[in-house]
Formats: sequence, structure tokens, C-alpha cells
Amino acid sequence: GAGVSQSPRYKVAKRGQDVALRCDPISGHVSLFWYQQALGQGPEFLTYFQNEAQLDKSGLPSDRFFAERPEGSVSTLKIQRTQQEDSAVYLCASSPRWGIDTQYFGPGTRLTVL
Amino acid sequence: SQQGEEDPQALSIQEGENATMNCSYKTSINNLQWYRQNSGRGLVHLILIRSNEREKHSGRLRVTLDTSKKSSSLLITASRAADTASYFCATDARRTTDSWGKLQFGAGTQVVVTP
Repeated sequence: GAGVSQSPRYKVAKRGQDVALRCDPISGHVSLFWYQQALGQGPEFLTYFQNEAQLDKSGLPSDRFFAERPEGSVSTLKIQRTQQEDSAVYLCASSPRWGIDTQYFGPGTRLTVL
Repeated sequence: SQQGEEDPQALSIQEGENATMNCSYKTSINNLQWYRQNSGRGLVHLILIRSNEREKHSGRLRVTLDTSKKSSSLLITASRAADTASYFCATDARRTTDSWGKLQFGAGTQVVVTP
């Protein structure tokens, strides 16, 4: 079956622009995670959804970052008024259940803010 | 902030050799996972070891976990050029409430396998 997909794969934005990154998790997966990966670093947690409920957004760097998953499937990560420090790869992952489980990652969206 | 630290940061070996990398972490965990990331691609799950397990095997991979030292190791035997990638350990920290799987990653070990 299809894995986790993300779009766009690459995004270039001018500083100050708003961007929206999309994640299509594996069908039926309850849990959805967003991570941010800076160059040469490991991914860092941003936020977590269980179905449509956002249970943890403690990793979002600022109030310019907003995520939603309105119907419990597709999720969107929105960044308003992008800054250069937002440049990173944004990874989405899903897992079948809540709790201790393997996470399946998408290919990521590479965001470059000029 | 990152929970785990991998050691070494980079590793260069020849095909057929074994590759060993280590991961240290700071807090008590429910489980520890190892992931592989090829250049420009997403993370691929390799193996999960629970806090009550000490060793686990999967194909050419062997993972150990020592919770008293808060450390884990990943051994890749008989390496191949296709094993060239970055390897990350990730921990699911133990909490008093039900865990829902938030992972904390280290900075990774870059492994290069030359033919």
C-alpha cells in the first residue's frame, strides 16, 4: 500500500511569505507527527495528532507555526511570515495506534526561505 | 534539544566490514528505535527495542540496550555499499501518563561504505 506522502517536496519562499505543507498519512493511521530537521541534525518534534485532536504542540517554535488535521486524516502545517531560520526539512510520520509503535515517515518537504 | 547522542559522528568502512555505532540518552525510556536516512529521503524504521529487552536482531542488524548506562548500540554486519546512510537513534521517553510515542532523536551517525 501507499506510504506517507508529503507535498510539495521542495518549497522556496521569500522571507515574510506564508507557506502550507501537506501530509497524507497511511490510511487508517490514528497518530500523526510533524518533525523539523535542520541540516546535519536529527529530527525535532513539533506536534502530535491523535485522529483530529492535537494533543501536543509543545515543539512548535513560535506562534507563526500552526498545524491542523480537521478530519483525522490529511494534515497541514502552516508557517506564517516565514523567516530564514525556518529553513529545514519538515517530516511527517504516522503510526497505526497511539502509544508505543513504529512511526512511518514521509519523504519530507525541504523548505528554503530566502 | 535532542535526547540522544550518537557516536561516532561519522564512520567510513569498506564493504564486508562490520559497522558499530552507539547512542546515549538522558531520561528513562519506554523504547529505543533506530532509523536510517538516505541522502534526501525520509527516515526508514530499522528496529525497535523495548526497555525490558537487552538485545534484538533483524537480518544483519543487531541492537543492544543497557538501561543502567542509558546507552544502545547498533551493529551492521557484512556491510554493503547500500548501507551508506545516516543512522539515528530515537527514544520514546517514559512519562507518568500514557505514552503516545513522541520521539526524541540524536544527531545521527553518517556511515559511508566503500566498495
